[in-house]
Amino acid sequence: EPEVTQTPSHQVTQMGQEVILRCVPISNHLYFYWYRQILGQKVEFLVSFYNNEISEKSEIFDDQFSVERPDGSNFTLKIRSTKLEDSAMYFCASVKDLYEKLFFGSGTQLSVL
Amino acid sequence: AQKITQTQPGMFVQEKEAVTLDCTYDTSDPSYGLFWYKQPSSGEMIFLIYQGSYDQQNATEGRYSLNFQKARKSANLVISASQLGDSAMYFCAMREVTSGTYKYIFGTGTRLKVLA
Repeated sequence: EPEVTQTPSHQVTQMGQEVILRCVPISNHLYFYWYRQILGQKVEFLVSFYNNEISEKSEIFDDQFSVERPDGSNFTLKIRSTKLEDSAMYFCASVKDLYEKLFFGSGTQLSVL
Repeated sequence: AQKITQTQPGMFVQEKEAVTLDCTYDTSDPSYGLFWYKQPSSGEMIFLIYQGSYDQQNATEGRYSLNFQKARKSANLVISASQLGDSAMYFCAMREVTSGTYKYIFGTGTRLKVLA
């Protein structure tokens, strides 16, 4: 089965630093997502991306966050100035059709010190 | 208001027994999809089963079945013949199709522990 690929699997950063989390969604998928999960708890929606623009974002997705699909294959999440509370597992996900299951990447564990 | 509610934070089941994990949802969209995902301790999100709002029959996938009661807005996951490897976190999720939102909404999860 095709896979969503996320890199790195772990990222440690200092508070206030910028981080970029990278994802390669499945090639023929059209809708892209970032979710986060703090300490194995609730899976929280951050942002959805379709047709090269943000289609929806949550209250969590403030001005410190941005997403890009720079080259038609990669999908990145940037956090400009990380805070301690940004420490979480970040999942990228994609889907071809909104009637289908969401395909998740294996996640990036972000630790902000 | 919560769109997806999982009221069981934790469940225990004896190996080889069946277990039901509860999920209720709230939507006014006539077209929606319901999903269950398993998250083992390794952290990956594994798709288990899908039920569409217009599906007449309950979905089944191997040992997993979805007890879909549309009028009650519930979509409970039934795992038959539990195995030790079923110990994991289980998330119910919903995707509204015609409401104009693209997001998949997740419940808070149920942690299942299978006992030998």
